[in-house]
Amino acid sequence: EVQLLESGGGLVQPGGSLRLSCAASGFTFSSYAMSWVRQAPGKGLEWVSTIRGNGGNTYYADSVKGRFTISRDNSKNTLDLQMNSLRAEDTAVYYCAKSKEWLRLWDYWGQGTLVTVSS
Amino acid sequence: DIQMTQSPSSVSASVGDRVTITCRASQGLSSWLAWYQQKPGKPPKLLIYAASSLQSGVPSRFSGSGSGTDFTLTISSLQPEDFATYYCQQANSFPLTFGGGTKVEIK
Repeated sequence: EVQLLESGGGLVQPGGSLRLSCAASGFTFSSYAMSWVRQAPGKGLEWVSTIRGNGGNTYYADSVKGRFTISRDNSKNTLDLQMNSLRAEDTAVYYCAKSKEWLRLWDYWGQGTLVTVSS
Repeated sequence: DIQMTQSPSSVSASVGDRVTITCRASQGLSSWLAWYQQKPGKPPKLLIYAASSLQSGVPSRFSGSGSGTDFTLTISSLQPEDFATYYCQQANSFPLTFGGGTKVEIK
């Protein structure tokens, strides 16, 4: 059974940093691209970042480029998102998601972790 | 960036009704479009990929159609568990983008 478990969310001040992690199990982690997708309170879904299975290619939304860094450790089956220079508009539930096959869409999602950026 | 426009933003329907949601892309996607269902406090659930392929385990009352820029999600006979918000997502190119969502409410 595929499981994705996010951690690391919390309250942080504007300009601060936070690191999210996602522990994956139940599939061959290194074979699949992984992504972070977020959802601000009461709003729609926003793609944040994707990293390919071998970690060789990364992609970012313009809204986070230069501030967020996605990474993975295929030996530990973990996905991370380092978030720096956080802004109020980064407040959201952050979901870890597994790509379906080689497609740019997601067949499994974690339960999400809430990040609140506020003073 | 590819903009995704969903309509309607909300729809009121009764159990047994046929419900249709549309999604329009600002550029051609071929068939690289997915549909998700999301219930409050839960992560999204993949329903349809490649515009018309039903994800494993999803009831056959859900169907998708379209190609290019215009796509449709149809629920043939609405069930109580289908009341939720539905999102389309273009899977053609980065940055990946979602439609604004359609909330299906009880009439």
